[in-house]
Amino acid sequence: EPEVTQTPSHQVTQMGQEVILRCVPISNHLYFYWYRQILGQKVEFLVSFYNNEISEKSEIFDDQFSVERPDGSNFTLKIRSTKLEDSAMYFCASSAQRGSGRFGELFFGEGSRLTVL
Amino acid sequence: KQEVTQIPAALSVPEGENLVLNCSFTDSAIYNLQWFRQDPGKGLTSLLLIQSSQREQTSGRLNASLDKSSGRSTLYIAASQPGDSATYLCAVKTDKLIFGTGTRLQVFP
Repeated sequence: EPEVTQTPSHQVTQMGQEVILRCVPISNHLYFYWYRQILGQKVEFLVSFYNNEISEKSEIFDDQFSVERPDGSNFTLKIRSTKLEDSAMYFCASSAQRGSGRFGELFFGEGSRLTVL
Repeated sequence: KQEVTQIPAALSVPEGENLVLNCSFTDSAIYNLQWFRQDPGKGLTSLLLIQSSQREQTSGRLNASLDKSSGRSTLYIAASQPGDSATYLCAVKTDKLIFGTGTRLQVFP
């Protein structure tokens, strides 16, 4: 079955550094998402992306965060200046277009663990 | 604001038992509800998706029901196995997917 892939699986960075997390969604999907999970806490929504623009974002997704779909396959999350509290597991997800039998079902990647020191 | 709660928070059972995991949500205006499995340190695996117009979905030993008007869903696991040990998350979709707190399940031989 097709899957969402994420790189890197683990990144350690110094506070204040820029980080880019990469995702390859399922190939025929049109809706893309980033979520995060701080250790021991709930999975939290960050941002959704459709038709080359952000469709929704949470309060967490401030000016330090940005997303981009630089080509037809990748979807990236950039954190410009990392803070200690950005340490979390970041999950990318994608879902199919309307009319698909699985419309509305989100498929998640394995996650990228970010550790900010 | 949509809130999703799951009980119990943790469950430890012997192999072979039939289990019921509960999920409740505060706003019934949802598009769908999805159940996930998460192994420690791993990603989220979609188990079942129930559209708002549906009452239940089945996949193998798993059966999920949805009562939208009362804001409840249950995940039924038949004949549990040690390999079922994981955290089970429910999530409801409004304009975004909102997750519950999870039920950590351990099935021992």
